[in-house]
Amino acid sequence: DTGVSQDPRHKITKRGQNVTFRCDPISEHNRLYWYRQTLGQGPEFLTYFQNEAQLEKSRLLSDRFSAERPKGSFSTLEIQRTEQGDSAMYLCASSPRLAGPTDTQYFGPGTRLTVL
Amino acid sequence: AQKITQTQPGMFVQEKEAVTLDCTYDTSDPSYGLFWYKQPSSGEMIFLIYQGSYDQQNATEGRYSLNFQKARKSANLVISASQLGDSAMYFCVLSGGEKLTFGTGTRLTIIP
Repeated sequence: DTGVSQDPRHKITKRGQNVTFRCDPISEHNRLYWYRQTLGQGPEFLTYFQNEAQLEKSRLLSDRFSAERPKGSFSTLEIQRTEQGDSAMYLCASSPRLAGPTDTQYFGPGTRLTVL
Repeated sequence: AQKITQTQPGMFVQEKEAVTLDCTYDTSDPSYGLFWYKQPSSGEMIFLIYQGSYDQQNATEGRYSLNFQKARKSANLVISASQLGDSAMYFCVLSGGEKLTFGTGTRLTIIP
């Protein structure tokens, strides 16, 4: 059973450009989460999907951010018109659908974004 | 609102000694989960241990144990017989629903 994978691992872009990240969850995990981690901080929740449905979005997710999970498998996170403040590690996690707040989320290696 | 507090920004521990990483939390949810994750310098977040709010016994996973004191709202991680490979950032995490709330982390350095 392979773990969560993310692509690319690193991305350097110029301010104003659009970027897209991909996340492939553990197979048969129907919940997928995106988090953002800035230097020296813990990750912060951005959004999550149950299958293809996006069920919650954080206020951190501005209009420039959009996430999709079209077939309920992999997910993409796009940032339009990137700003230097978008520089961070973007982490993806997946979990199986169990009862209650006890689902363990398994994280991918992250995509480190640097906006110049 | 959910909150996690980790008061130890950094710790240095001699190899083979036990270490306790402190964590306190605050939540109004009657049912919640507490996790510890390890983040090495490579960046990947690695799940270590889980404790449910209704679990009667403290969780253990190999060298890791979670000292859960519900009345004090604390969930300290104990690592026995520390190893050089334990050097990493450690996050205490609270789950009251679908999303996780992370603490600011403790950077643990194991000294040979």
